[in-house]
Amino acid sequence: DVKVTQSSRYLVKRTGEKVFLECVQDMDHENMFWYRQDPGLGLRLIYFSYDVKMKEKGDIPEGYSVSREKKERFSLILESASTNQTSMYLCASSIRRTSGRVTDTQYFGPGTRLTVL
Amino acid sequence: DAKTTQPTSMDCAEGRAANLPCNHSTISGNEYVYWYRQIHSQGPQYIIHGLKNNETNEMASLIITEDRKSSTLILPHATLRDTAVYYCIVSRWTTSGTYKYIFGTGTRLKVLA
Repeated sequence: DVKVTQSSRYLVKRTGEKVFLECVQDMDHENMFWYRQDPGLGLRLIYFSYDVKMKEKGDIPEGYSVSREKKERFSLILESASTNQTSMYLCASSIRRTSGRVTDTQYFGPGTRLTVL
Repeated sequence: DAKTTQPTSMDCAEGRAANLPCNHSTISGNEYVYWYRQIHSQGPQYIIHGLKNNETNEMASLIITEDRKSSTLILPHATLRDTAVYYCIVSRWTTSGTYKYIFGTGTRLKVLA
């Protein structure tokens, strides 16, 4: 079974703090994703990575950065947390679709509920 | 971006089939349709996906119209444990060669005893 784990289920931080959210997958997937989920807005893509050290902005990258130094690990960084970043953060991973592999099913972690006070 | 539209909520009697519709009228030729569900406070769980043909697995069936502009997820015999938010997603190509998901806002399905 694919397993995607996130470092914390619940996290409370103060405004201005630097926050690291960690995600690890054990299936040797090339792609990894960070989303945030807010009531009424659904899941929105923050950043994704398609290879080690490679990243691409999603739909709402402002206020966030990411790091992917190893294939299995993808970190989301809030340089200076603000109250409007209080949210559920979800990590996902998938294989890279090629002509020989036509599925890119994403597997999600359990989520980290971040509260910024 | 391709977008999906789903009803906000639906009810279904336990043991009956649940039919969840989705509109994706701007879908392109190589974009897959995915369905996930999310039970409260958990990560989304994969259900099924398809491109053109109807698909079935142990969880559900997916019916895609011939023009691919809409699809229906069918849970053949809904149980109380199927109560969840169901997301219809289009998988879209990016310039980096990765496919990213375009999420709809989901349908809250409530299965009634």
